Amino acid sequence: NAGVMQNPRHLVRRRGQEARLRCSPVKGHSHVYWYRQLPEEGLKFMVYLQKENIIDESGMPKERFSAEFPKEGPSILRIQQVVRGDSAAYFCASSPPRGNINSGNTIYFGEGSWLTVV
Amino acid sequence: DAKTTQPPSMDCAEGRAANLPCNHSTISGNEYVYWYRQIHSQGPQYIIHGLKNNETNEMASLIITEDRKSSTLILPHATLRDTAVYYCIVRVSPKTSYDKVIFGPGTSLSVIP
Repeated sequence: NAGVMQNPRHLVRRRGQEARLRCSPVKGHSHVYWYRQLPEEGLKFMVYLQKENIIDESGMPKERFSAEFPKEGPSILRIQQVVRGDSAAYFCASSPPRGNINSGNTIYFGEGSWLTVV
Repeated sequence: DAKTTQPPSMDCAEGRAANLPCNHSTISGNEYVYWYRQIHSQGPQYIIHGLKNNETNEMASLIITEDRKSSTLILPHATLRDTAVYYCIVRVSPKTSYDKVIFGPGTSLSVIP
């Protein structure tokens, strides 16, 4: 998967706690995407970020969820006051800057972070 | 909503070619066809993409019809490790406007010994 690194791979949280999922994109990639996959369901788009900017958050739940991609460091998906329904696999993906003809703007995915809320 | 339709499931005998179809009848002139797969409990893996010409790489071949309304992903010699959900996606050229990637339900391919 071309170097997108996610951690932690597995996270267990009690209801009401906070979950922080980190994503380091492929070196040189300035675009990050977050997707959620509930058990036995498909991949659902959550948010698309460029460095320091949220471009599209149309798939993010209105409350408790936030995402950032700072100038330095990894992208963070933060879930406050987790509930059992937040249990899912969260996938991060990255792509190079737009207009990169040689790359085809291919999006590469990480191996995911599995959140379990107990 | 996804812009593509795929059969929900397919079987393929090990060692034979797996041909996975995809319909994208509303595809625009500036949209590419991408294929990904997701092996159980892993992240989606990029396979191949194309615009209008047939493409081949070390993993697969992509055949796009002349009218671009459908395509077929070909795994020439399927192995058990190719058992996965295969996603066909259309998205715009990187030189044009932003377009988030929307995944449909895909095709669940089972390679049978």
